[in-house]
Order: sequence, then structure tokens, then C-alpha cells
Amino acid sequence: EAGVVQSPRYKIIEKKQPVAFWCNPISGHNTLYWYLQNLGQGPELLIRYENEEAVDDSQLPKDRFSAERLKGVDSTLKIQPAELGDSAVYLCASSFGGVGETQYFGPGTRLLVL
Amino acid sequence: SQQGEEDPQALSIQEGENATMNCSYKTSINNLQWYRQNSGRGLVHLILIRSNEREKHSGRLRVTLDTSKKSSSLLITASRAADTASYFCATDKGAQKLVFGQGTRLTINP
Repeated sequence: EAGVVQSPRYKIIEKKQPVAFWCNPISGHNTLYWYLQNLGQGPELLIRYENEEAVDDSQLPKDRFSAERLKGVDSTLKIQPAELGDSAVYLCASSFGGVGETQYFGPGTRLLVL
Repeated sequence: SQQGEEDPQALSIQEGENATMNCSYKTSINNLQWYRQNSGRGLVHLILIRSNEREKHSGRLRVTLDTSKKSSSLLITASRAADTASYFCATDKGAQKLVFGQGTRLTINP
């Protein structure tokens, strides 16, 4: 069974530039999560999708961050414009059930904003 | 805000020894999960323990949960070099979202 796929694995951009991350969850998983992980910290939820609906985006900085999950499968997370403080690892995860069930994580995208 | 707090923040032991990590949380939970993260990788699920369970085993892993003390422990027996990683507890705060602690960085010395 293929795991959660994320691309790119690494991204270096200059501040004020846009950037996008892509995630393909495990087949059949209806719940998809985007997390932000700063160095030495645990992941923090940015947004959770149930199928194509964003059911929890309370932690997503909506002035510069946006996300979509078309057709309830793949998802894209975008930052525009990027700021220095956005440098972090962006993790995508999926689960078959809801929040309390096992989540399967992708390898993450490491973003460096210069 | 992070609900779970792991203790210690860092742990270094010799190969073959047992490693114990603790997690405390603040509000009632439905489930508590432990995850492992190797350097530069995503998180890997280890064990899920439900609020009505007190202990769970998986191979060399043993997890306990004390809901009265709002705490959990993860024991890794007979540690190996490959166990070197960061370990995170995560609680499903009111079934709204999974909240991770800051993690324990475990180093197994050969």
C-alpha cells in the first residue's frame, strides 16, 4: 500500500514569493490534514478536510495561506506571499476515520524562506 | 497551544537499556497516541490507547494511561540504535483535533 505522498520535499524561496505544496493521501482515506512543524516542536494542525470540506481551518492564517482539496482526494496548500517566519516543515497526513484514529504522515516539505 | 507535554525533553541511554518517556495532558481525552519521528522524516504511528484502557503492548513497546493523573508513559525495552528518534504523544482534545506535545528526543548509544 502506497503511503502519503508529498512534493516537493524541499523548497527554497525568497520572501514575498508564493509557494505551493502538494499532497496525495492514502487511497480511501477521507480525512486529510495539513500540519506545520517548527524545529524542535511537535506538529500543529493548520487545516483538516473531511472529503472535500474544510471542517477545521481555525489555525490557518487566512491572510496568506490557502488550501484546497478538489474531489476529496489530492490537496494543495499555498502560501502567498511567504514570510521569513514561514520557514518550517509542512506535513500532510490522512486517516480513514476521524480525528481520534491513526493518522498516516507523509515525509513533509521542508520550506526555507530567505 | 500544545496540550501534551513530554518528559524528559531529551534522553540518552546505552543500547540494550530500557527507555521510558512520559506525557502529561490537561483536558479529558478520548484517545492518546504515540508517534515516532526519525530525523528528516514524517511521523510514524506507534500505539493508540483509548481512555478506557490502562495498558497496551506492541512488540518492545508498552504504553500505560492513567486518566486520573492525566498522564501516559511509553516504555521501549531492550533499546536498539534504530530507536534513536523523537517521540511524540498526541491527544484528541475533545475529538476536535489531534494535539501533539513537543516530543522527547531519544538517543541510543552503541
